[in-house]
Amino acid sequence: SQQGEEDPQALSIQEGENATMNCSYKTSINNLQWYRQNSGRGLVHLILIRSNEREKHSGRLRVTLDTSKKSSSLLITASRAADTASYFCATDAFSGSRLTFGEGTQLTVNP
Amino acid sequence: EPEVTQTPSHQVTQMGQEVILRCVPISNHLYFYWYRQILGQKVEFLVSFYNNEISEKSEIFDDQFSVERPDGSNFTLKIRSTKLEDSAMYFCASSVTGEQFFGPGTRLTVL
Repeated sequence: SQQGEEDPQALSIQEGENATMNCSYKTSINNLQWYRQNSGRGLVHLILIRSNEREKHSGRLRVTLDTSKKSSSLLITASRAADTASYFCATDAFSGSRLTFGEGTQLTVNP
Repeated sequence: EPEVTQTPSHQVTQMGQEVILRCVPISNHLYFYWYRQILGQKVEFLVSFYNNEISEKSEIFDDQFSVERPDGSNFTLKIRSTKLEDSAMYFCASSVTGEQFFGPGTRLTVL
């Protein structure tokens, strides 16, 4: 089964707008994490939300988790051109286990 | 801020040659991982390592692959006889529990 499917696959917005990306998964999880990847570069950890949490904030980021729907969303508020990147969700089954990544959302923020 | 480092950043090799990719995880971390990302595709798990042994491996991690933690700081991935399809970005990650922090990656090109 495929874990961590993001939608949309691509999102283009204007600077200052909010960007919302969604992630769905199929099996039970322990944690869900969001990562950013600039083209051809490494993965930058953004935020982790545990299965018993419903919402988490970090700066301009807001993550929600709905375990009943097996879905999560990442909201970036007041986007900047520098936020242009691919965003991935990744889930694990228990602490220390592998991460299973989704296909990612390519976000373009136009200045 | 501590970070995961990887060397080399780029490696070009001939098909059939052995390569060793090196990683220095964050010093107090206990879990170590290798992932790969073929160009344009999602990140795939290869192997995890805990307490000096492999704790999980994927179907990709066949007999051509091996991992070692030769000393207290380095973590290596060896590919014994490279194939064209091994061309990818290889990421090392480490964690205490929960958040996995990724290195910048090694781009492996097999000719």
